[in-house]
Formats: sequence, C-alpha cells, structure tokens
Amino acid sequence: DVKVTQSSRYLVKRTGEKVFLECVQDMDHENMFWYRQDPGLGLRLIYFSYDVKMKEKGDIPEGYSVSREKKERFSLILESASTNQTSMYLCASNGDSTSTGELFFGEGSRLTVL
Amino acid sequence: AQSVTQLGSHVSVSEGALVLLRCNYSSSVPPYLFWYVQYPNQGLQLLLKYTSAATLVKGINGFEAEFKKSETSFHLTKPSAHMSDAAEYFCAVIKAGGFQKLVFGTGTRLLVSP
Repeated sequence: DVKVTQSSRYLVKRTGEKVFLECVQDMDHENMFWYRQDPGLGLRLIYFSYDVKMKEKGDIPEGYSVSREKKERFSLILESASTNQTSMYLCASNGDSTSTGELFFGEGSRLTVL
Repeated sequence: AQSVTQLGSHVSVSEGALVLLRCNYSSSVPPYLFWYVQYPNQGLQLLLKYTSAATLVKGINGFEAEFKKSETSFHLTKPSAHMSDAAEYFCAVIKAGGFQKLVFGTGTRLLVSP
C-alpha cells in the first residue's frame, strides 16, 4: 500500500515562530502536494512539486514556502506563523500522468498558532 | 476556470436509507471528476473517479456516481446507508492547465442515525 506519512499530527506554535511540516511518501511518486483544509472552504492547494527541487505555487501560497531536496520528502515551511494559519494541513502524492487525479493523502497535521 | 459546487454542507440520513450527495461542476473542457471520503481524524481516500469512460462509475463501499453532462452533475449515491458511512465527502475536478491539480468542493458531512 502507498503510504504518505506526515511527521506531526498535532502542533501548537506561537505567532512569529518558524514552522516545518514534513511529509514522506514511500511509493517513488513524482508529484507531491500540500493542501490546507478549513471548515466550509474544503481543500485549497498551497504548493506542489513535480520533481526534486521543482515547485509551483498553488492557489494560496502567501505566507508559505516548500522544499523538496529528495524525491520522497516534501516540506512545508511557515517562515513566521500567524494565527490565520491555524488549520489542518494535508500532504498528498501521486505518480506519473497515468495516475491522473488519484491522490494519496497523509493523515494530516493540525496546526494551532497562538 | 474549473470548479465544483457541493450542495449541502450536512446531509442526515437514517441507517438503511438512500444516500444522495450532490455535486455540480463547471468546466470549459471535458472534466475528470472525483469523489473522496474523509473519516474522522484521517486523510482523504479515493471513492471513485470519472475519466470519460463509462458515465456510471462504481466505487468502494457500495458507492456509485453518474456523470450527467446535460446537468453538469456528478452526484454520489448509495442505496442503503450504514453507520460506518458517516464521514465527510469531497467532490473534486481536475483544474484546466494542470492535469494533476485537483480543485475540491467545500465538502458534505454525512450523518447516519440508527
């Protein structure tokens, strides 16, 4: 089975702190994604990566950055956390173009910024 | 731009009753459409997908959805609800210009009562 692992299920941080959310997948997938999930807003794409060291902005990239130094790992970085970044963050991955649309998700990281 | 609209943030049914979750899409080109399910404290998993083959798509756990171009709809149904179906359901469409970038609806929470 495909496994996408998010290292932290629950985090509590203070305003202004730098936050790292880590995601690792074990299926050699080319594409990795970070989504933010908020009640009533569904999932919104923050950033995605289709190859090592490659990244593209999603719909809501402001306040976030990403890093993909190795194929299996995709990190989301909040340079200076703010209270409006309190949310559930979901990492996902999929393979090449033959797997169009089928994303494999991690269990999520719930971040609270005080 | 492509988008999906899920009608009803909450749907309540009795165990054994028909489940109907509504999704309407907007797309300037033939879409690929998906339903995902999220159980409490878990990530999302794929229920089923439409990729321009058969218009009636069968998924896991007895769910199915029918693509109706004339109505721009992709509603999710299950003949008989089970308590274990209680979850949040998301409809999604592939965004134009990026075949891997899913655009999600706002979600519908299904409540099942005994």
